[in-house]
Amino acid sequence: QVQLQESGPGLVKPSQTLSLTCTVSGGSISSGTYYWNWIRQHPGKGLEWIGSIYYSGSTYYNPSLKSRVTISLDTSKNQFSLKLSSVTAADTAVYYCARVLRNLGWFDPWGQGTLVTVSS
Amino acid sequence: NFMLTQPHSVSESPGKTVTISCTRSSGSIASNYVQWYQQRPGSSPTTVIYEDDRRPSGVPDRFSGSIDSSSNSASLTISGLKTEDEADYYCQSYDSSSHVVFGGGTKLTVL
Repeated sequence: QVQLQESGPGLVKPSQTLSLTCTVSGGSISSGTYYWNWIRQHPGKGLEWIGSIYYSGSTYYNPSLKSRVTISLDTSKNQFSLKLSSVTAADTAVYYCARVLRNLGWFDPWGQGTLVTVSS
Repeated sequence: NFMLTQPHSVSESPGKTVTISCTRSSGSIASNYVQWYQQRPGSSPTTVIYEDDRRPSGVPDRFSGSIDSSSNSASLTISGLKTEDEADYYCQSYDSSSHVVFGGGTKLTVL
């Protein structure tokens, strides 16, 4: 059974880069047809898709965040990562990683989420 | 691009049936599959419906999904409501560029 676990700093200063890693266990990140995603949830608010990466390395980003987002794969560590640059307090949120089984599919499973606070 | 609009909240009594709508603002609701996620307080979302009307293993058959082209909307129906169904529910689909679109979420209260 595949499991995902987010990790990274819980506090980031304004204007810096937020960096998070999602470790995949119970399955290979480079298996075909899988899309690996980042989603965030502002406190008390709804879900916002940040972007995804296909096992081949192709990326898809939310147009509203595209200029600041980079998602990458590290197949040697069975991980994928999120970098969000020039953060502000508006980027304070719980960040989730999640898998999509095939193109245009559903998210399953999700990681437990990690709270990132942007503050000086 | 399009938006998925959900009611902010719904409430119903245990044992009753509730339906949560998800209306697509432009383009056909049938263009891409709709998924539904349940998020209990303090937990990650889980899938209750995928591909419009399919239920993952382990999800009770009290949960059902449908789409209606006439209203350009998707619906999640929960019958025989239980207090454990109290949660936030999100619909989700894709746009023509394969970008993910989430609805704003609906808080279900079972009282």
